Amino acid sequence: EPEVTQTPSHQVTQMGQEVILRCVPISNHLYFYWYRQILGQKVEFLVSFYNNEISEKSEIFDDQFSVERPDGSNFTLKIRSTKLEDSAMYFCASGDRGRGNTEAFFGQGTRLTVV
Amino acid sequence: EDKVVQSPLSLVVHEGDTVTLNCSYEVTNFRSLLWYKQEKKAPTFLFMLTSSGIEKKSGRLSSILDKKELFSILNITATQTGDSAVYLCPNAGNNRKLIWGLGTSLAVNP
Repeated sequence: EPEVTQTPSHQVTQMGQEVILRCVPISNHLYFYWYRQILGQKVEFLVSFYNNEISEKSEIFDDQFSVERPDGSNFTLKIRSTKLEDSAMYFCASGDRGRGNTEAFFGQGTRLTVV
Repeated sequence: EDKVVQSPLSLVVHEGDTVTLNCSYEVTNFRSLLWYKQEKKAPTFLFMLTSSGIEKKSGRLSSILDKKELFSILNITATQTGDSAVYLCPNAGNNRKLIWGLGTSLAVNP
């Protein structure tokens, strides 16, 4: 069964370093998302991506964050200069439906720990 | 402000019990409510509900939406230890982003 895959599963990085989280969405999907979940808190929307551009982003998604779909299969989230508070589980999701449907399928997540 | 409130936050039952999980919402331009099961990591999709009064069913799980009273319930009958998870009910408006609650943590004891 098709699934969203994310790498790495866990990354520890020093504060101030850049990280790139990678995702391979389900191949025929058109909508891509990044969410994050800080331990013990709600899942939070970061950004949605459609037709090779950002369609919406949250307040969390500031200038430190960027997304790319460099080669038609990968979908990456870059955090330019990590902060301690960026430590969270980052989920990539994708969906294939038009405006009427909003189901999204999630990857297993990347646990980012900033020290 | 859009919000999703789930209750209870935590539930402990014995195998074989039936549970009902509640999800109430206030979402601008509501489009759909989804139920996910989150075990160790990724939320796993269960149901998507868009219309009131139409039950979605999958095995021992079922769910229904009430768009007038702005809530949904997820029922699990004859619970098993494998049902232990956090159950989430994010909502989507026109912009497709999902608004999440804290979830209900269900523990099913043998």
